Amino acid sequence: EPEVTQTPSHQVTQMGQEVILRCVPISNHLYFYWYRQILGQKVEFLVSFYNNEISEKSEIFDDQFSVERPDGSNFTLKIRSTKLEDSAMYFCASSEIADYNEQFFGPGTRLTVL
Amino acid sequence: GESVGLHLPTLSVQEGDNSIINCAYSNSASDYFIWYKQESGKGPQFIIDIRSNMDKRQGQRVTVLLNKTVKHLSLQIAATQPGDSAVYFCAEAMNTGFQKLVFGTGTRLLVSP
Repeated sequence: EPEVTQTPSHQVTQMGQEVILRCVPISNHLYFYWYRQILGQKVEFLVSFYNNEISEKSEIFDDQFSVERPDGSNFTLKIRSTKLEDSAMYFCASSEIADYNEQFFGPGTRLTVL
Repeated sequence: GESVGLHLPTLSVQEGDNSIINCAYSNSASDYFIWYKQESGKGPQFIIDIRSNMDKRQGQRVTVLLNKTVKHLSLQIAATQPGDSAVYFCAEAMNTGFQKLVFGTGTRLLVSP
């Protein structure tokens, strides 16, 4: 069964450093998403991406965040200068179409900012 | 250190019981709802979805009920099994072309053998 994959599973970084979280969505999917989940809290939407453009972003997704689809398979989330409060699980998701359609989630990357 | 998170409501049941997990959603304009299951250390896993033009939808051992009048969603799991133990989230979306999911706070289901 096709699945969304994410690397690394755990990333530890120093405050102020840049991190790139990587995702490989399901191959025939066209819509891509990043969510985050701070420990013990609910999953929060960060950004949606379609046709090489951001389609929607949340208030969390400020200028320190960016997304890119550098090739036909990868989808990345970059945090330019990490803060302590960026520590969370980051989930990538993808869907075949946008409306009324299941988003498939990856296993997540745990980001720890020290 | 790690932040202290919300204390999730917990539902404890015996194996074989039926479980009902409830969710109040926030946006009356939402027209698509999904239940996700999240096991420890994993990403959310789709269980069942429902559109706002329906009030009930059944899957294998699961049923979702939607009450738009009071903005309430429930997930019923029949013959609950230990493998059903997880955190369950409802999510809502307003399908305007790009589907941003808004998740609820979650309920922890504990199934005892």
